[in-house]
Amino acid sequence: GQSLEQPSEVTAVEGAIVQINCTYQTSGFYGLSWYQQHDGGAPTFLSYNALDGLEETGRFSSFLSRSDSYGYLLLQELQMKDSASYFCAVKSVYNQGGKLIFGQGTELSVKP
Amino acid sequence: SAVISQKPSRDICQRGTSLTIQCQVDSQVTMMFWYRQQPGQSLTLIATANQGSEATYESGFVIDKFPISRPNLTFSTLTVSNMSPEDSSIYLCSVEVSSRPGYTFGSGTRLTVV
Repeated sequence: GQSLEQPSEVTAVEGAIVQINCTYQTSGFYGLSWYQQHDGGAPTFLSYNALDGLEETGRFSSFLSRSDSYGYLLLQELQMKDSASYFCAVKSVYNQGGKLIFGQGTELSVKP
Repeated sequence: SAVISQKPSRDICQRGTSLTIQCQVDSQVTMMFWYRQQPGQSLTLIATANQGSEATYESGFVIDKFPISRPNLTFSTLTVSNMSPEDSSIYLCSVEVSSRPGYTFGSGTRLTVV
């Protein structure tokens, strides 16, 4: 089967750096992506890694190690508006195409 | 990126009835995905809808309960049939646009079954 593990919640202060880890088990792995979801909103795409290494997009960076089945999302210069749920998601590919399977989500609380 | 129009945004339904949720995409996409998200929980994939073929359902979801239509490359519907309070959830459609890696989600349908 497929499974993803990430911490259920993380708390940090404004201006700090926080790292949200994700480990996964899946077949047909194609890439790891990260989504942000505010209360009452739809998930929005943040970052994607298909290859090992670091991808940087503004204040957000994402890392992948395929040999370790591990990735993380790094959020820098935290702002209050970053308080949200963050999901890692594995894209797996099978004979009929690809699909996205989500982790349980990490609720990030940013304090003043 | 793609823009998805999903409706209704919310509904309150009587148990035993059915609700059809619609998603319209502003560009042609091969695959559309339907997810369920219960309050405070993660997103669970219900099925993948390809145009011109039957939807592929994930374990625990069946066509009789969640029939899906995909008449063309920009539109899909999900019906929640014979509803019970356990079906109260947020339902979201999603697409992957080939030109970028991320998936785009509709705004969701918040369903309450009473």
